[in-house]
Amino acid sequence: EPEVTQTPSHQVTQMGQEVILRCVPISNHLYFYWYRQILGQKVEFLVSFYNNEISEKSEIFDDQFSVERPDGSNFTLKIRSTKLEDSAMYFCASSDGNEKLFFGSGTQLSVL
Amino acid sequence: GQQLNQSPQSMFIQEGEDVSMNCTSSSIFNTWLWYKQDPGEGPVLLIALYKAGELTSNGRLTAQFGITRKDSFLNISASIPSDVGIYFCAGRGAGGTSYGKLTFGQGTILTVHP
Repeated sequence: EPEVTQTPSHQVTQMGQEVILRCVPISNHLYFYWYRQILGQKVEFLVSFYNNEISEKSEIFDDQFSVERPDGSNFTLKIRSTKLEDSAMYFCASSDGNEKLFFGSGTQLSVL
Repeated sequence: GQQLNQSPQSMFIQEGEDVSMNCTSSSIFNTWLWYKQDPGEGPVLLIALYKAGELTSNGRLTAQFGITRKDSFLNISASIPSDVGIYFCAGRGAGGTSYGKLTFGQGTILTVHP
């Protein structure tokens, strides 16, 4: 069964450092998303991406965040200068244009 | 913004029992979805509901889209140990919200004792 793949599964970084989280969406999906889940809290929408541009973003997705589809298979989330409060599980998801989102297993980001 | 209130927060049940959890909102939602999350994994879609009043089953799971479009419930019948996990409701709000922008509930932690 096709799945969304995320790497790395865990990322530890120092405050102020840049991190790039990587995702390979399901191959025939055209809509891509990043969500995050702070420990013990609900899953929150960050950004949606379609046709090589951001479709919608939440207030969490400020200038420190960016997304990119550098090639035909990868979808990345970059955090330019990490803060302590960026520590969370980051989930990539993809869909074929409806509400049925398929999520990856997540990248646990720890900012020290 | 839109919020989903999910209850109960946690449930401890015996294997074989039925389970019910629900989600409510003060806002109207166009779509309701139920996801399950296992430890260290991403949410996995269980059921999607698209019409007010719709009742949909997936094996031992049954979910309904409330008539008012402001609530949904999920029932699990004859629970088994592998039902353990966190169950999330999620919805796509009305008013032009894009398809992939889902609002999630806080989750219900389900524990099943053998």
